[in-house]
Amino acid sequence: DVKVTQSSRYLVKRTGEKVFLECVQDMDHENMFWYRQDPGLGLRLIYFSYDVKMKEKGDIPEGYSVSREKKERFSLILESASTNQTSMYLCASSASRGSGTGELFFGEGSRLTVL
Amino acid sequence: KNQVEQSPQSLIILEGKNCTLQCNYTVSPFSNLRWYKQDTGRGPVSLTIMTFSENTKSNGRYTATLDADTKQSSLHITASQLSDSASYICVVSAIGYNRLAFGKGNQVVVIP
Repeated sequence: DVKVTQSSRYLVKRTGEKVFLECVQDMDHENMFWYRQDPGLGLRLIYFSYDVKMKEKGDIPEGYSVSREKKERFSLILESASTNQTSMYLCASSASRGSGTGELFFGEGSRLTVL
Repeated sequence: KNQVEQSPQSLIILEGKNCTLQCNYTVSPFSNLRWYKQDTGRGPVSLTIMTFSENTKSNGRYTATLDADTKQSSLHITASQLSDSASYICVVSAIGYNRLAFGKGNQVVVIP
């Protein structure tokens, strides 16, 4: 069974703290994505990566950074958490554009609360 | 401007009844359209994919349709069950473009 695993289901952090959200996939997918999901706004793309050590900004990258040192792992970093970053964070992966149908495989999500 | 619009935003249906969810898009040039199901507190899971040449596809009690001319898709749920309570998200892909366009979802609540 294909799997995308996010390290933490629930986190509570304080304003100004550095936050790491980890994501690991076991499908040998090239593409990995970080989204945030808020009520009424749907899924919004933060960052994505098509290869190791490669990253591209999504629609809402401000306040976030990412790291992809290994193919299977994609980390989302909040350098200094703020209350408006309280959200559900979803990691996803997909096969390369030259193969497969582009189906996204999502993790279970990490619900972050910033106090 | 959101390129994918879903309606209704939410609906409540009785167990055993049918319902239809709508997705209108402006994404061009069209590549494919997926419907995802997201249970509360979980990540979305793909239900079905529609390509340009397909106009109907079923997955159990879920039937998706696509009208590429009017740029509309629907997801029909037959004989709803309590486990169908979820958000259904329409996602459209464009040819040669590396971003996906997401709808905001249809929230379905099935009551006994």
